[in-house]
Amino acid sequence: SAVISQKPSRDICQRGTSLTIQCQVDSQVTMMFWYRQQPGQSLTLIATANQGSEATYESGFVIDKFPISRPNLTFSTLTVSNMSPEDSSIYLCSVVQGNTEAFFGQGTRLTVV
Amino acid sequence: GQNIDQPTEMTATEGAIVQINCTYQTSGFNGLFWYQQHAGEAPTFLSYNVLDGLEEKGRFSSFLSRSKGYSYLLLKELQMKDSASYLCAVREAGGFKTIFGAGTRLFVKA
Repeated sequence: SAVISQKPSRDICQRGTSLTIQCQVDSQVTMMFWYRQQPGQSLTLIATANQGSEATYESGFVIDKFPISRPNLTFSTLTVSNMSPEDSSIYLCSVVQGNTEAFFGQGTRLTVV
Repeated sequence: GQNIDQPTEMTATEGAIVQINCTYQTSGFNGLFWYQQHAGEAPTFLSYNVLDGLEEKGRFSSFLSRSKGYSYLLLKELQMKDSASYLCAVREAGGFKTIFGAGTRLFVKA
């Protein structure tokens, strides 16, 4: 199984600022995804991080708010831009190797004040 | 459209058996997953069904009926540590995008 290192594990940020979350995998993976999990709720897919091209965003999420990079097959970043308290959530990186189950990073718990 | 339904909460007794149901309507189908998530932790993989039938793995079993858009997760010999949220998730056809249900919070009592 893939080992995923996600940083930071948590942060408290001022509204209007931006935070970049990093996801590093110990092996090359087919797909990488970013999810958001708001308190007491399930996972909502933000986007698919595509290697070498623009991410594919789900309905309700846009590139200006959540820019994503994926420069290679083992690394991706998600930026939460111009944050507001409504962005307070857990952000999770997920990877798929081959056609198997998804593995998750430990998540980044973001609080916007 | 995409819709995955599962009960919000369930309570069961230590040592008993519990069945968590999941129904889905998605844009194509390429497998159904069950994940366990303890509070404050990331989801961990439990099972994967792509064909109809029952998959057994230790105390946990998962069933799928594609024609009915239905799955269940069966937990036997419940332990206190099984108290967690159980997430039903469907992978859409033609790719690896996985959509999650709202999760079922299971409380195991002594």
